[in-house]
Amino acid sequence: RKEVEQDPGPFNVPEGATVAFNCTYSNSASQSFFWYRQDCRKEPKLLMSVYSSGNEDGRFTAQLNRASQYISLLIRDSKLSDSATYLCVVNVGAGGGNKLTFGTGTQLKVEL
Amino acid sequence: DGGITQSPKYLFRKEGQNVTLSCEQNLNHDAMYWYRQDPGQGLRLIYYSQIVNDFQKGDIAEGYSVSREKKESFPLTVTSAQKNPTAFYLCASSNWRLAGIGELFFGEGSRLTVL
Repeated sequence: RKEVEQDPGPFNVPEGATVAFNCTYSNSASQSFFWYRQDCRKEPKLLMSVYSSGNEDGRFTAQLNRASQYISLLIRDSKLSDSATYLCVVNVGAGGGNKLTFGTGTQLKVEL
Repeated sequence: DGGITQSPKYLFRKEGQNVTLSCEQNLNHDAMYWYRQDPGQGLRLIYYSQIVNDFQKGDIAEGYSVSREKKESFPLTVTSAQKNPTAFYLCASSNWRLAGIGELFFGEGSRLTVL
């Protein structure tokens, strides 16, 4: 089983739609979680951290479910500019080398 | 402006040649990382360094070497021993002592093609 798994997509949605991605992780000792965004042929950039209590940043909401070992990203009122690949990222913590493990990414295409 | 600079952006090399990718940061970050990205695969960690003069192998270190003689610099050498070197290489840094390892700041990447 992969350490971090995502549905690769692509998810094709109309502008204004609400879309949700899930990501599962295998190591129950994982300590911190993030969503990064990567535009085509560009470097990834941090979109948001994922906290146990859930967190929201404008149209974006991230949630963590430790019992089921998944994190989610919800995008409301999607814009054309949201088209990108969204990477789920997990840090196992010091015991695991304190390094980040990246999922393969979910591709989102927002269309007119 | 602070940031991470990778060079060259595009590089072509013949099979059997070593090549060194440059990565420089002026963010005063302690930790630096090298990742490789292939189509359909997530970023895979090659090497990382959490402090000057120290570095550790990541998940796919074979065929690569690094050095960390200065805080600002973390060059990656792709040796002829690397069987499939054609890829997109990303360098990153983080201020892990202050912020924990969460936010990685990436360079724009180097695309290596082996002919």
